[in-house]
Amino acid sequence: QKEVEQNSGPLSVPEGAIASLNCTYSDRGSQSFFWYRQYSGKSPELIMSIYSNGDKEDGRFTAQLNKASQYVSLLIRDSQPSDSATYLCAVNLISSNTGKLIFGQGTTLQVKP
Amino acid sequence: GAVVSQHPSRVICKSGTSVKIECRSLDFQATTMFWYRQFPKKSLMLMATSNEGSKATYEQGVEKDKFLINHASLTLSTLTVTSAHPEDSSFYICSAREGPGHYGYTFGSGTRLTVV
Repeated sequence: QKEVEQNSGPLSVPEGAIASLNCTYSDRGSQSFFWYRQYSGKSPELIMSIYSNGDKEDGRFTAQLNKASQYVSLLIRDSQPSDSATYLCAVNLISSNTGKLIFGQGTTLQVKP
Repeated sequence: GAVVSQHPSRVICKSGTSVKIECRSLDFQATTMFWYRQFPKKSLMLMATSNEGSKATYEQGVEKDKFLINHASLTLSTLTVTSAHPEDSSFYICSAREGPGHYGYTFGSGTRLTVV
């Protein structure tokens, strides 16, 4: 079982719709969860971080964490063509005392005008 | 915000030569830095974790003699790909965090290595 799993997609949504990206993780004791956006040929950029159960909103983005289900998601409201990118879920494994981040395989999002 | 500078951004080298990639934290002291590689359309694969002043911790399957990591100061970590071969061609990205309790991870801009 992979430590962090995402559906690779592509996920295609029309402009203005809500895009929902999902991620599951295997280490039940994980404490920190991150969503990164990566454009082709570029390094990842942080969109959201979340540490406690529930929702966290920042502009058009909402991160949701459910530790009991070992599930974290990212909602993008009013999707724009510029949101088209690969979205990477990353988890800070509690079993690692170095604080290393483990990434999922990424979900490719396509927002069609 | 925290800035990590990585260079070179692109490098082409001949097979058998060595290439050094630098990762610098510009406005904070990075006690821990991470090195990732990424193949086209794949995710980031953690190669190793380096802590200032100590040996790097390599992930399973990563050859430590091939990928030499040095973290001699709190602001600089280097990755040297030794005796590079075409299969080492990849996108290498470094990441840094300030220390325990600091949850933020800042990424460098990445280095595209092509071995011909």
